Amino acid sequence: AQSVAQPEDQVNVAEGNPLTVKCTYSVSGNPYLFWYVQYPNRGLQFLLKYITGDNLVKGSYGFEAEFNKSQTSFHLKKPSALVSDSALYFCAVRPRSGGYQKVTFGTGTKLQVIP
Amino acid sequence: SQTIHQWPATLVQPVGSPLSLECTVEGTSNPNLYWYRQAAGRGLQLLFYSVGIGQISSEVPQNLSASRPQDRQFILSSKKLLLSDSGFYLCAWSSRGGNTEAFFGQGTRLTVV
Repeated sequence: AQSVAQPEDQVNVAEGNPLTVKCTYSVSGNPYLFWYVQYPNRGLQFLLKYITGDNLVKGSYGFEAEFNKSQTSFHLKKPSALVSDSALYFCAVRPRSGGYQKVTFGTGTKLQVIP
Repeated sequence: SQTIHQWPATLVQPVGSPLSLECTVEGTSNPNLYWYRQAAGRGLQLLFYSVGIGQISSEVPQNLSASRPQDRQFILSSKKLLLSDSGFYLCAWSSRGGNTEAFFGQGTRLTVV
């Protein structure tokens, strides 16, 4: 069975500092990996995804994520945090096998950027 | 461009009343469609998904059902709501293919009283 772990319920970072939101996964084979962001009382918005190739993936709003196969991780990063980045972040994984494969979401990490 | 519409945004319903939440997608064909429930502003629980008209897969047995009467329409229903059905319901779509991301509606906040 596949699973996604976001070990931190909340991450606090000062505005202008780099931020990291952690994600590790467990799935057979090489998965597709995704990050989404959710603002209060809104739906999730897609940020970035890893399919293949370069382990460093760049996405929307200056976010990037690094795929590490040996550590089965896909941490979300940003060099300089903005107050407007404060939101709930979800990591998701989908197996690469043929046919329909279910997406599994992590439990979310609340990012608080302090002015 | 593709858009997803989900309504209503908020809903307060008495216990035992029926429910119908609707979701429609524009600008794409043959999408995969999903209903999720989010409890306490955190984890997402996949309730139903559909890969085509009339094809519904249920992930969690519960008091809810889903239907897909048209290619880009997905409906979440209940005959009799329970208090435990309260939550934030999200509709989403994705293109065929495992490497495609999902696009979410704005959500419906359902409160059963």
